[in-house]
Amino acid sequence: EDKVVQSPLSLVVHEGDTVTLNCSYEVTNFRSLLWYKQEKKAPTFLFMLTSSGIEKKSGRLSSILDKKELFSILNITATQTGDSAVYLCAPLKATGANNLFFGTGTRLTVIP
Amino acid sequence: DVKVTQSSRYLVKRTGEKVFLECVQDMDHENMFWYRQDPGLGLRLIYFSYDVKMKEKGDIPEGYSVSREKKERFSLILESASTNQTSMYLCASSSDTGELFFGEGSRLTVL
Repeated sequence: EDKVVQSPLSLVVHEGDTVTLNCSYEVTNFRSLLWYKQEKKAPTFLFMLTSSGIEKKSGRLSSILDKKELFSILNITATQTGDSAVYLCAPLKATGANNLFFGTGTRLTVIP
Repeated sequence: DVKVTQSSRYLVKRTGEKVFLECVQDMDHENMFWYRQDPGLGLRLIYFSYDVKMKEKGDIPEGYSVSREKKERFSLILESASTNQTSMYLCASSSDTGELFFGEGSRLTVL
């Protein structure tokens, strides 16, 4: 059975801290892994990772995938209050339209 | 800009009422999805559609039905709403790359 586990479930940090969010997965026909950020509305896309060991960066956010150990991490450096959100990890399968499913997310709270 | 539009942001309905949630996308995507999101349970797939008039059950289809008469429109129907269907409903569409584009969400409260 396919599954994805995110940790920690929630995290409270101070502005300026660096955080690491974890996502482990077991998925048949794995193709890629996606990270989303969800504030009060719908999730917004952050990264799609397909190859192992290649870091993707966007400003203070970065992410990397390890296809051998079946996990991904999302790093946020110099956190700001605007980073407060739920971060969702979603493995993407190579077959079928029903090919993306989500972890329960990590709720990050950044306090001033 | 890609866009997925859900017709209602907030709805309040009574138990037993029929509820329609509409979703329209302007990206010519084949695939469309309906999720519900509940605290501690994450996003769970209700139904999806990979073509006009085609639909498949997701993980939690009970109590729901869907309609895809046109490519751009995917409707979620609650034939007889119940209190345990109080939730945030998210519509999404995807291209062949698999990336999902979400609507703003519809928060439904069933009294």
